[in-house]
Amino acid sequence: NAGVTQTPKFQVLKTGQSMTLQCAQDMNHEYMSWYRQDPGMGLRLIHYSVGAGITDQGEVPNGYNVSRSTTEDFPLRLLSAAPSQTSVYFCASSPTWGGRGSTDTQYFGPGTRLTVL
Amino acid sequence: KQEVTQIPAALSVPEGENLVLNCSFTDSAIYNLQWFRQDPGKGLTSLLLIQSSQREQTSGRLNASLDKSSGRSTLYIAASQPGDSATYLCAVRGGNQFYFGTGTSLTVIP
Repeated sequence: NAGVTQTPKFQVLKTGQSMTLQCAQDMNHEYMSWYRQDPGMGLRLIHYSVGAGITDQGEVPNGYNVSRSTTEDFPLRLLSAAPSQTSVYFCASSPTWGGRGSTDTQYFGPGTRLTVL
Repeated sequence: KQEVTQIPAALSVPEGENLVLNCSFTDSAIYNLQWFRQDPGKGLTSLLLIQSSQREQTSGRLNASLDKSSGRSTLYIAASQPGDSATYLCAVRGGNQFYFGTGTSLTVIP
């Protein structure tokens, strides 16, 4: 298994440009999520999905769109890039989205480092 | 809103020393707590997961404890090695979301 893969590894955008960060997992996981990691802020949840066709907002969703048409893929779209979106983006997946007793851990991709000029 | 804090932000110890990393959270209504390791320029790797009903979990030289009522968790690393140098993050799950701390950067000096 390749696990969780993300492309590209690095990207530089100009303000106002749009782009899609790709995320794929080959473990048949139900739950997928996107985080951004900024210095001194920790990881913050952008959007998540509990299954194909189901998405919801996390803590910092503004400026980002997601869709989940298949179990494997969960792309993150930046609609009009802003310098404030300069960050490292991580995609993660988890086998199921169980209840309170769940022991499912999250598996993280290697990240995409995005710079918006 | 859940707030997760990790102290200290950075820690440097000589090889062989035992050490403790701290994590605190403001809302005790959590499903579970996880400790992750992050190497520079890499993603996160899960180390230990403690369910809300558990008090501790152990894996090799790592032991994580959870005191839900006081909103605290500790990660104990025994006999530290230079290969343990990394950033350690804790995350609590509440409902459909995980909330992460800002991490403790650990350096183990040979």
